[in-house]
Amino acid sequence: DAGVIQSPRHEVTEMGQEVTLRCKPISGHNSLFWYRQTMMRGLELLIYFNNNVPIDDSGMPEDRFSAKMPNASFSTLKIQPSEPRDSAVYFCASSSGQGLSGELFFGEGSRLTVL
Amino acid sequence: AQSVTQPDIHITVSEGASLELRCNYSYGATPYLFWYVQSPGQGLQLLLKYFSGDTLVQGIKGFEAEFKRSQSSFNLRKPSVHWSDAAEYFCAVGPSGGYQKVTFGIGTKLQVIP
Repeated sequence: DAGVIQSPRHEVTEMGQEVTLRCKPISGHNSLFWYRQTMMRGLELLIYFNNNVPIDDSGMPEDRFSAKMPNASFSTLKIQPSEPRDSAVYFCASSSGQGLSGELFFGEGSRLTVL
Repeated sequence: AQSVTQPDIHITVSEGASLELRCNYSYGATPYLFWYVQSPGQGLQLLLKYFSGDTLVQGIKGFEAEFKRSQSSFNLRKPSVHWSDAAEYFCAVGPSGGYQKVTFGIGTKLQVIP
């Protein structure tokens, strides 16, 4: 079975450019999470969706960040305009929510470098 | 608010030695507790989880963890470490009800020396 699929794996861009990260969760999973990982702050939850609806976006750093989940099989995280401090690895994870098992299945991450 | 503390940022052990990674949590009710492992360049993978019942939980790759409510701890252990265990380990806590908002610790990086 395919796991969580993220693209791109690596992105290098210049400050001010728009960045779009993509995620395809595991089929049948109804919860989706975006995390950001940095050396300084560790793994931070940015936003999570349940049944395609954003439930908690309190971790989104600022208005430059936005996330959408137009359907159960696709989500995007957009940064516009990007800044050097946005450089990090961004992970998408999904979960089935069955019985609140809580196990998160992570993608391999998108490493973003903003110059 | 829920939180997780992993007091050891970096640990080095010899191959074949025993391992214990510490985790303390703060949560107002009965938590769900997890340990995840991250190999370089990879996403996180679940090692084990505790929801209820037996406080000693067995996981994959020979790992186990013990839930101690009185100490608010969920330490990860392995009797004999292999070189392939070198990775970063994350403790996490989540609610026992409602949506699955899981909070992760800062992580402990494990180095295994010959």
